[in-house]
Amino acid sequence: RKEVEQDPGPFNVPEGATVAFNCTYSNSASQSFFWYRQDCRKEPKLLMSVYSSGNEDGRFTAQLNRASQYISLLIRDSKLSDSATYLCVVTQGNNFNKFYFGSGTKLNVKP
Amino acid sequence: NAGVTQTPKFQVLKTGQSMTLQCAQDMNHNSMYWYRQDPGMGLRLIYYSASEGTTDKGEVPNGYNVSRLNKREFSLRLESAAPSQTSVYFCASRLTLADNQPQHFGDGTRLSIL
Repeated sequence: RKEVEQDPGPFNVPEGATVAFNCTYSNSASQSFFWYRQDCRKEPKLLMSVYSSGNEDGRFTAQLNRASQYISLLIRDSKLSDSATYLCVVTQGNNFNKFYFGSGTKLNVKP
Repeated sequence: NAGVTQTPKFQVLKTGQSMTLQCAQDMNHNSMYWYRQDPGMGLRLIYYSASEGTTDKGEVPNGYNVSRLNKREFSLRLESAAPSQTSVYFCASRLTLADNQPQHFGDGTRLSIL
């Protein structure tokens, strides 16, 4: 079983749509969670950290469900510029220095 | 505003050749990492250095060695390159003052082994 699993997509949505991605993780001891964005042939860039109580940054909302071991990312009012691959990142148990990356979920926002 | 700098950006090697990938960060970060990314797969950790003077294996360390030269620099060496090591290599760094600090990435080295 993979440490972190994501639906690869692609999710094809029109501009202005709301889209949500989930990511499941296998190690219940994991403590830190992040969403990264990766554009084609570019490096991953931090989108947002995920806090226990959930957090929002503009059109983006991240949630953590420890009981079911998943994190989610909600994007409201999608823009063409949101088209990218979204990577879920989880620490390896309680080792804050080691991270597992999901394979990513591809989002295509269409005009 | 350099952040994490990787050199070279592209490289083609023949099987059996050796090569060192360089990484430097100017953010005074404690931890540094080397990942590889293959098509359709997430980033996989090769080695990391939690602090200057320490290095540890990640998920896929075989065929690689690393050196944490100083706080700024962390290099990755392929002693005898194999076609299976064709990949995109990313270096990252992280400040470890708090547990939930994220990683910051360089823009990658695209390596092809023929």
